[in-house]
Amino acid sequence: KQEVTQIPAALSVPEGENLVLNCSFTDSAIYNLQWFRQDPGKGLTSLLLIQSSQREQTSGRLNASLDKSSGRSTLYIAASQPGDSATYLCAPNRDDKIIFGKGTRLHILP
Amino acid sequence: DAGVIQSPRHEVTEMGQEVTLRCKPISGHDYLFWYRQTMMRGLELLIYFNNNVPIDDSGMPEDRFSAKMPNASFSNLKIQPSEPRDSAVYFCASSPGTGGTGELFFGEGSRLTVL
Repeated sequence: KQEVTQIPAALSVPEGENLVLNCSFTDSAIYNLQWFRQDPGKGLTSLLLIQSSQREQTSGRLNASLDKSSGRSTLYIAASQPGDSATYLCAPNRDDKIIFGKGTRLHILP
Repeated sequence: DAGVIQSPRHEVTEMGQEVTLRCKPISGHDYLFWYRQTMMRGLELLIYFNNNVPIDDSGMPEDRFSAKMPNASFSNLKIQPSEPRDSAVYFCASSPGTGGTGELFFGEGSRLTVL
């Protein structure tokens, strides 16, 4: 059974800092891994999708890496802004079954 | 495309009543997923469909829960009878699939409160 862990559970940093969110998963035979953002009271918005054959994906200030063999992914946020405050969730896809971690609650201090 | 559409957005009901949540996936998407989100347990996968066929319902908590997908443009999740511990936000999501490489898109969710 796939288990997904996200560390840290919560993070508060001053605006402008670069930061790294971590995701680990127990079953490395995945098709892909997706990172999402969730604002309070809202649905989930897809940020990045990394296929199993890829090592990383970039979108603007976001960069996600995938090390499938070790069951790890990281989301790097450069030059953080107050608008980045949200919960970030990772979701590996194993045989089309997509399981979520509990997320990292991020607060960027102005 | 309008995205994944869920209804109702909010539902308040009394214990013992039947609850029906509805979902319209993105046109052309072969996969549909139902999730439940609570503070304690996070996002839990309840069931998912491929081409309208249920593939894995191992996350459905009890026999009180059922889900159907009668056609490619509609799915519903029913809870009968409802209990206070069913209070949560229920999300529907769809994906184009194709061997599992597709991106997952979420609806805005249905917030259920059972009194």
